[in-house]
Amino acid sequence: DTAVSQTPKYLVTQMGNDKSIKCEQNLGHDTMYWYKQDSKKFLKIMFSYNNKELIINETVPNRFSPKSPDKAHLNLHINSLELGDSAVYFCASSQVTQETQYFGPGTRLLVL
Amino acid sequence: AQSVTQPDIHITVSEGASLELRCNYSYGATPYLFWYVQSPGQGLQLLLKYFSGDTLVQGIKGFEAEFKRSQSSFNLRKPSVHWSDAAEYFCALNSGGSNYKLTFGKGTLLTVNP
Repeated sequence: DTAVSQTPKYLVTQMGNDKSIKCEQNLGHDTMYWYKQDSKKFLKIMFSYNNKELIINETVPNRFSPKSPDKAHLNLHINSLELGDSAVYFCASSQVTQETQYFGPGTRLLVL
Repeated sequence: AQSVTQPDIHITVSEGASLELRCNYSYGATPYLFWYVQSPGQGLQLLLKYFSGDTLVQGIKGFEAEFKRSQSSFNLRKPSVHWSDAAEYFCALNSGGSNYKLTFGKGTLLTVNP
């Protein structure tokens, strides 16, 4: 019954690897987001998709590529991982006509 | 540009004491305002939100917040804190429009002493 789910919950990998994080929402929302929470707990928007179309891209390195196969899913692929990519990545969703965003449990990424 | 400031990085209160967490925002019009809570190792849970209307909003877990336009503030309150309230609290602003992105404050860590 989880509204917004993410997999995996934890991800430990080496520098230079490529990895993906998956997000799914069963709330019937139109819009999905990726946020990054750094080591100081600061949360910042990375991307937003509305009905599978990119609407926000907050100057994220192009090593990060979101993909939305349908409006219930928003995946995040990261190429050539760097130490600075270590963070918690949160997926969220909302109905485009409303402003409340609901968050997933987060994916804790550690790059060694 | 919009911004959110949470002046207190860390607050410690005793169990049963009252709590107020401060949040100030900068935005040219009336924003949509939110408080989220993050327990250790967990995701973000919505506590309450303000869109319009009554400036005192009630949320879950006995929390409330008051929107004060003149002070550009949206402070979170609870009359009696429980040990389970220990967590990180985030104030956030959404300007609406076509993108609905949330701008977060840097969070306030709440410690509850027995």
